Amino acid sequence: QITLKESGPTLVRPTQTLTLTCTFSGFSLTTTNVGVAWIRQPPGKALEWLALIYWDDDTRYRPSVKSRLTITKDTSKNQVFLTMTNMDPVDTATYYCAHRDDSGGYHLYWGQGLLVTVSS
Amino acid sequence: QSVLTQPPSVSGAPGQRITISCTGTSSNIGAGYDVHWYQQVPGTAPKLLIYANNIRPSGVPDRVSGSKSGTSASLAISGLQAEDEGDYYCQAYDSGLSGSHYVFGTGTKVTVL
Repeated sequence: QITLKESGPTLVRPTQTLTLTCTFSGFSLTTTNVGVAWIRQPPGKALEWLALIYWDDDTRYRPSVKSRLTITKDTSKNQVFLTMTNMDPVDTATYYCAHRDDSGGYHLYWGQGLLVTVSS
Repeated sequence: QSVLTQPPSVSGAPGQRITISCTGTSSNIGAGYDVHWYQQVPGTAPKLLIYANNIRPSGVPDRVSGSKSGTSASLAISGLQAEDEGDYYCQAYDSGLSGSHYVFGTGTKVTVL
């Protein structure tokens, strides 16, 4: 059974750096073609794909925020991290992590989501 | 900034058939990349409905189907039920000039009348 759970601060001040942790179980990030992605959803708005890390440390980023994002993993702890610098109120959103299946780029398993509010 | 365009809303009466379009470009759907579809009920995480254009995960009823042609894809739901209400998103890989990444569609709100 695959599960994922996001953790991190729920309130961040503008200009601060956000670090989120995705702790997962039921799969290994050493398995070929497996990955973990971060996706966010501003209140009342559409899903926004942010970043993905593959089993081999290859990464992909959303172009519009690429300069502010870093995705890393700790396979020994079954964790994936997302760092986003220079946070702004427009970054207020529910942040999800999701499992990338080894047979394609779809996400069958998602975390419950974490609402992060950016406010002074 | 999504490069996958969906209609903002679609509605239908119970029992009817609806379709949701997802229009892309030559750098994503038109490049041959697979399209995946999700349903999201407000306040919950998205649920995978269709992957690889037309494959249903276990537990998704066969009245849900997907197709792809050229630079577009479609999700069809027949025998519309109240439980089909929610927001629907398509997803695909994009290999444009700004770099390779995944992208979601603009989202479609489905209302059962």
